[in-house]
Amino acid sequence: DGGITQSPKYLFRKEGQNVTLSCEQNLNHDAMYWYRQDPGQGLRLIYYSQIVNDFQKGDIAEGYSVSREKKESFPLTVTSAQKNPTAFYLCASSGQGGETQYFGPGTRLLVL
Amino acid sequence: KNQVEQSPQSLIILEGKNCTLQCNYTVSPFSNLRWYKQDTGRGPVSLTIMTFSENTKSNGRYTATLDADTKQSSLHITASQLSDSASYICVVSLSGGSYIPTFGRGTSLIVHP
Repeated sequence: DGGITQSPKYLFRKEGQNVTLSCEQNLNHDAMYWYRQDPGQGLRLIYYSQIVNDFQKGDIAEGYSVSREKKESFPLTVTSAQKNPTAFYLCASSGQGGETQYFGPGTRLLVL
Repeated sequence: KNQVEQSPQSLIILEGKNCTLQCNYTVSPFSNLRWYKQDTGRGPVSLTIMTFSENTKSNGRYTATLDADTKQSSLHITASQLSDSASYICVVSLSGGSYIPTFGRGTSLIVHP
C-alpha cells in the first residue's frame, strides 16, 4: 500500500524542548517537502529536499532543521529557537519538481 | 511577485446545490495549476491538474477550468454532498521543473443538509 505517513498525529512540546516529526514515503519519490499551515493561511514551505543528502531552506526555515539520509525519510526537528511552533505540519513528496505533490496526514504540534 | 488569490474565502451552500470557486494567479512563467481538497485535520489531496494547453478537466462532480490568457481558474462542484465540506486549495507551479509551487490560502466550503 503506497503512500506517505507522518507520526505522531499529535505532539506536545514543552518550553525549551526540541521535538522531531517523522515523515516516511514508499512512493520512490526523489523530492520531499515540509510545510506549516496556520488557520486562515496558505501552506508555507519550511524545507525541501530534491535528493538524498541534499536540502534547501524554504520561506520560514528559522527555528527548524531537517535531514535526508535516506530516500524514504525526511524528519523535521522543531528547535527551541522556534518561538511560535503551534501549527499543523504537513509533509509531502513528489517525483520531480513541478510534479504533483502527495501529502501525508499531518502532525499537529501544540505547546504546553 | 508570484501570487495566487482565491475567492471567496468561505462559502456555505445547501446540499444538492452547485457552486464555483475562483483562483487568480500572477505566477509566471506558468507550468501547471492544481486544485487540492483538504478535509479538516487531514492532508490535501489532488483533484485536478491542468497545463497551459488545457482549459477544462473533470474529476467526477468536480470540473476545473483554466484561462491562461487571463490567468484565472475555477472549480465547479455539481450537486454538492455533505462530504464536499472541506478547504479547496489552488496551487500554481512555475515552468522549468520548479520545486516550489505557489499556494493559495484556500476556500472553505461548508455544505449544509
